[in-house]
Amino acid sequence: AQTVTQSQPEMSVQEAETVTLSCTYDTSENNYYLFWYKQPPSRQMILVIRQEAYKQQNATENRFSVNFQKAAKSFSLKISDSQLGDTAMYFCAFMRVGAGNNRKLIWGLGTSLAVNP
Amino acid sequence: DSGVTQTPKHLITATGQRVTLRCSPRSGDLSVYWYQQSLDQGLQFLIQYYNGEERAKGNILERFSAQQFPDLHSELNLSSLELGDSALYFCASSVGAGTSRTDTQYFGPGTRLTVL
Repeated sequence: AQTVTQSQPEMSVQEAETVTLSCTYDTSENNYYLFWYKQPPSRQMILVIRQEAYKQQNATENRFSVNFQKAAKSFSLKISDSQLGDTAMYFCAFMRVGAGNNRKLIWGLGTSLAVNP
Repeated sequence: DSGVTQTPKHLITATGQRVTLRCSPRSGDLSVYWYQQSLDQGLQFLIQYYNGEERAKGNILERFSAQQFPDLHSELNLSSLELGDSALYFCASSVGAGTSRTDTQYFGPGTRLTVL
């Protein structure tokens, strides 16, 4: 069974600085996707970024980028130029991609990020 | 706004009761997923439907059931409610066409269920 581990329950960063959130996962699958979602105080679940396991190039979305290390089963999220609006719970999620249409997300427990002015 | 709608936003009920949570997916999405977010168990996958058919089941209790209708909206039915069922219930949808872009799930705002 797949598992996702986020080892940092809480983190804080100063506005405009850079922060990295860690995520490791365990799987025997070779084909999968990885995601970061954020959940601000509004509780809405918002997609931040996704990474396909077959791609060696790290995904980037504006100030958000990932460091995907497939052999190490590591998938960290880097937030550059942190903004107050980045304050949220961040979840790492794993999706196995196989035959059929089973696409459930397996979640880490989250990292609570506070961006301080 | 993700385009996924969920009703109601809040639900307060008593133990032993039955409730129905409703979800409308984004236009064009065929897959609907239900997740439960609770303080003690985090985010848990409950069930997935694809174009009206059940595709995957998580640790969904027998007291819970779901269905996806021909117009692709979905309902999650929770019965014989217990205090421990209090949680935020999310619905998500995706196109479901087998690529990373079309398998990406977009979430509704959730239904906050409180069982007293």
